[in-house]
Amino acid sequence: SQQGEEDPQALSIQEGENATMNCSYKTSINNLQWYRQNSGRGLVHLILIRSNEREKHSGRLRVTLDTSKKSSSLLITASRAADTASYFCATDARGGATNKLIFGTGTLLAVQP
Amino acid sequence: DSGVTQTPKHLITATGQRVTLRCSPRSGDLSVYWYQQSLDQGLQFLIHYYNGEERAKGNILERFSAQQFPDLHSELNLSSLELGDSALYFCASSAGLAGAYNEQFFGPGTRLTVL
Repeated sequence: SQQGEEDPQALSIQEGENATMNCSYKTSINNLQWYRQNSGRGLVHLILIRSNEREKHSGRLRVTLDTSKKSSSLLITASRAADTASYFCATDARGGATNKLIFGTGTLLAVQP
Repeated sequence: DSGVTQTPKHLITATGQRVTLRCSPRSGDLSVYWYQQSLDQGLQFLIHYYNGEERAKGNILERFSAQQFPDLHSELNLSSLELGDSALYFCASSAGLAGAYNEQFFGPGTRLTVL
């Protein structure tokens, strides 16, 4: 399967704690994007990191990318109950006529108030 | 709100039927992608259109087809529906093509239930 893997599959933390999710992928990429999905609803775009970038920040989000290991991590700091959702990484593979996204399996994050 | 719209939100139909899902991309975006999300397969790429032309196909069944119209909206047609076609169908749009650093923005999805 082309699908990437995310780890852990599920994560439960207390409000105020940090949450770290990891993503591994299989091909060379143009970029990697992280999305949030609340309970079977739409996918919300969180952040895009380019293949030549190693770290990117957006508010309470920090994303790292290690292309040598074909892996990325998403850190959510000072988590809130509203952060409860599934988080997916998606890679835009290098080469070819399309920048279709290949999604990971997702991490289900539960933030307990 | 991503700026991508999809209709309908929910669709309930019977096996053997045909349905059409509609997507309007964000203003100015030329690329439209369709994805399917199911419990067993996860999020899978179906098809990509750029400015009216098909660019790539993914795991799309022969019973499924799509097109992008001159006003850039897109339709995904699903025919001879089977129980296993029940899923969330997402449309996404982006500004450009392969090699560019384009975020893909997703619509709210259409939940298809085949009974």
